Amino acid sequence: DTEVTQTPKHLVMGMTNKKSLKCEQHMGHRAMYWYKQKAKKPPELMFVYSYEKLSINESVPSRFSPECPNSSLLNLHLHALQPEDSALYLCASSRPPNEQFFGPGTRLTVL
Amino acid sequence: AQKVTQAQTEISVVEKEDVTLDCVYETRDTTYYLFWYKQPPSGELVFLIRRNSFDEQNEISGRYSWNFQKSTSSFNFTITASQVVDSAVYFCALSSGGYQKVTFGTGTKLQVIP
Repeated sequence: DTEVTQTPKHLVMGMTNKKSLKCEQHMGHRAMYWYKQKAKKPPELMFVYSYEKLSINESVPSRFSPECPNSSLLNLHLHALQPEDSALYLCASSRPPNEQFFGPGTRLTVL
Repeated sequence: AQKVTQAQTEISVVEKEDVTLDCVYETRDTTYYLFWYKQPPSGELVFLIRRNSFDEQNEISGRYSWNFQKSTSSFNFTITASQVVDSAVYFCALSSGGYQKVTFGTGTKLQVIP
């Protein structure tokens, strides 16, 4: 099973809302990733968790808060976002140095 | 520092034509991995192939083939007899060092016209 699932598929939120994105994988991968992708751009790395510990934070604003409750789950908590945060948010997992497997993404719109 | 260059921003071909997507990379590491991903309009990035720096053998998978040349730092992707379903954005990517960070190229949008 090479599937990474993400919920929700679409999310519309106001700037004062708090919401969470969820990601799950059952491939036994110990590295999990959050990416942000704007239209017509490549994915941009936000966070990496390795063995459930945050190993890379690409200077992401604190209004994005990642969480890795266990080896299969990855969350991204959103609070006080700005309209420019509207994007496709992709989750991925891997067994480095092998390829990353991506989920279908959450299309986020911030009003 | 790592860099991946995909000079072709958009390519249009007529169905059944062959098309080659170019990828040039830069890295100071001697051990590295190269990848190709496909992103259809639905948004999900689909893994196509991985190559490590020690394996310069070309690979063919159905209508897809890849040409890896370390001498020119290139990892090109050819689709033979293109089909409408091949229409997507294709990303070339590179990882080295800790291997957790993947550097993506800017992508090539391929449109296959029926």
